[in-house]
Amino acid sequence: GDSVTQMEGPVTLSEEAFLTINCTYTATGYPSLFWYVQYPGEGLQLLLKATKADDKGSNKGFEATYRKETTSFHLEKGSVQVSDSAVYFCALSDHVTGGGNKLTFGTGTQLKVEL
Amino acid sequence: GAGVSQTPSNKVTEKGKYVELRCDPISGHTALYWYRQSLGQGPEFLIYFQGTGAADDSGLPNDRFFAVRPEGSVSTLKIQRTERGDSAVYLCASSSPVAGGGNIQYFGAGTRLSVL
Repeated sequence: GDSVTQMEGPVTLSEEAFLTINCTYTATGYPSLFWYVQYPGEGLQLLLKATKADDKGSNKGFEATYRKETTSFHLEKGSVQVSDSAVYFCALSDHVTGGGNKLTFGTGTQLKVEL
Repeated sequence: GAGVSQTPSNKVTEKGKYVELRCDPISGHTALYWYRQSLGQGPEFLIYFQGTGAADDSGLPNDRFFAVRPEGSVSTLKIQRTERGDSAVYLCASSSPVAGGGNIQYFGAGTRLSVL
């Protein structure tokens, strides 16, 4: 079945540092890929997505590229801020004919950004 | 209008009791999903509704779990004979399906269920 593996946290960085959170996936078809973020005390929010190979999703300075050859969707940001502290979830949805686009999530990576 | 609304935000119950968790999706969203998130884990899919019907209930862990969406809007997740292992945050999401996939699911804040 489908699965998502992401690097374990917590990841602790200084402000303005470069961020990479690794994510790899296993899927039977050609899934869409997502990064969701959960800020402290808030619900899950979509951060960015990519629906086909070589697509790059980007939002709020974050970006991730759909790499079919390596089955990866690593999240990157060039300069993190304290306000980026949150838990980040990589997820995929497979396209099921007649069915929904249920999401399969990774276990989440907690990011802490310090001054 | 408003986002996905889930009530109650917290529910404490005793082992063996029956609970109902409610989800009010974004107006006009035909697709509704339930997920369960245990501590330190990512959300796990439970059930998906398209309109009033449960199109995929493959994630329900056993027959103590049931969900309905009688009018194609509000959904209720029902858990019978609760067990301590049912303690988790139950998340609801809704979306407007997009051809070819990649539809965005909008999540509620969740109901934290604690079974004592």
